[in-house]
Amino acid sequence: DSGVTQTPKHLITATGQRVTLRCSPRSGDLSVYWYQQSLDQGLQFLIQYYNGEERAKGNILERFSAQQFPDLHSELNLSSLELGDSALYFCASSVAPLTGNTGELFFGEGSRLTVL
Amino acid sequence: DAKTTQPNSMESNEEEPVHLPCNHSTISGTDYIHWYRQLPSQGPEYVIHGLTSNVNNRMASLAIAEDRKSSTLILHRATLRDAAVYYCILRDWQNNDMRFGAGTRLTVKP
Repeated sequence: DSGVTQTPKHLITATGQRVTLRCSPRSGDLSVYWYQQSLDQGLQFLIQYYNGEERAKGNILERFSAQQFPDLHSELNLSSLELGDSALYFCASSVAPLTGNTGELFFGEGSRLTVL
Repeated sequence: DAKTTQPNSMESNEEEPVHLPCNHSTISGTDYIHWYRQLPSQGPEYVIHGLTSNVNNRMASLAIAEDRKSSTLILHRATLRDAAVYYCILRDWQNNDMRFGAGTRLTVKP
């Protein structure tokens, strides 16, 4: 158990809908990262937050948005869903943003999204 | 971040050492070498990382070539539980995020 909690574990929805995925980081971790893993694209970095502020952005679509709240939990909002958005969405956390010699991210078990 | 090249898949026998290679010929002086692994149906987990010197921890060893253009993750005694996809990642010391490639799928045979 990494200490990172993601909900829901599974979610099935229809095209055009909107969903919210939630992540609670490990106790004491201030930085949260979101990743998308699909069969054809592998593990793609989406976005990172540190103490409520966006710190790095990856291949996140405009239809997707995220935020980190004062209690440090984070939410990933996916809207106007398409079939291709079906994937595993992982959240990871670290004590602080990765800099210098730090290197350890702790990943949750993921939220599996199926868009029909 | 510079690119890494790993074999798509490797096989090993249980209780034997495994050497997982990673080529990163365009590595820069400020790139750290990270290894993560992803067990089936789980999120990735940290294995080890280093800059120039070889590193050891309870999970594995990381051997870094003198010119830093390649590295090898060493599992000293593979178990069935080590079957996973292993990712070699380069991260510039100033970057905040970890970007994964395709990785090597390790199969461990009993």
